[in-house]
Amino acid sequence: DGGITQSPKYLFRKEGQNVTLSCEQNLNHDAMYWYRQDPGQGLRLIYYSQIVNDFQKGDIAEGYSVSREKKESFPLTVTSAQKNPTAFYLCASSTPPPGDNTEAFFGQGTRLTVV
Amino acid sequence: AQSVTQLGSHVSVSEGALVLLRCNYSSSVPPYLFWYVQYPNQGLQLLLKYTSAATLVKGINGFEAEFKKSETSFHLTKPSAHMSDAAEYFCAVVLISGTYKYIFGTGTRLKVLA
Repeated sequence: DGGITQSPKYLFRKEGQNVTLSCEQNLNHDAMYWYRQDPGQGLRLIYYSQIVNDFQKGDIAEGYSVSREKKESFPLTVTSAQKNPTAFYLCASSTPPPGDNTEAFFGQGTRLTVV
Repeated sequence: AQSVTQLGSHVSVSEGALVLLRCNYSSSVPPYLFWYVQYPNQGLQLLLKYTSAATLVKGINGFEAEFKKSETSFHLTKPSAHMSDAAEYFCAVVLISGTYKYIFGTGTRLKVLA
């Protein structure tokens, strides 16, 4: 089945450590996205990529980094510079608009807890 | 820049009552609009979407939404709430040109009372 796989589902790290969240898709989508979700704040865009080897900052990119070396993969690194990294992280992919097939597909998320 | 505003962070309805979740958008160019549902500790699932075909859009689980350009709205409705509808609902917008960023509202948590 086609879809988006995020791993791991739960992640615990000590403060000051970098951590990388995995996101893989087999939907053949060009665009991929990382969102952060906090209670009451909805989904906030961290980074997005519309094509391999290219990505753009979203609204809250500080303290995060990404790479897009393959179409299928878009890993997110939460660095020690991120002040409050504990959150639920969602990865998504999509076909670009226009068109009736336009929509974003989401993974099941990774809950990161920094202690 | 495009944005969406969801009125009401929490909505409670009785089982069998009408569900109405509000979403207003702001966009300088024609948008595509979406409603997603999220259950606890899960990803988002698409309920329905407006991609400029029909203004009244029907989705899964009996939900529908109407795109009203004059009101810049895309409210989500369901005639009769079911206990299984309890979840968080997000409205989202993406422009049909330029960068393909999906911008989400802050969400509305729906509670269904027995």
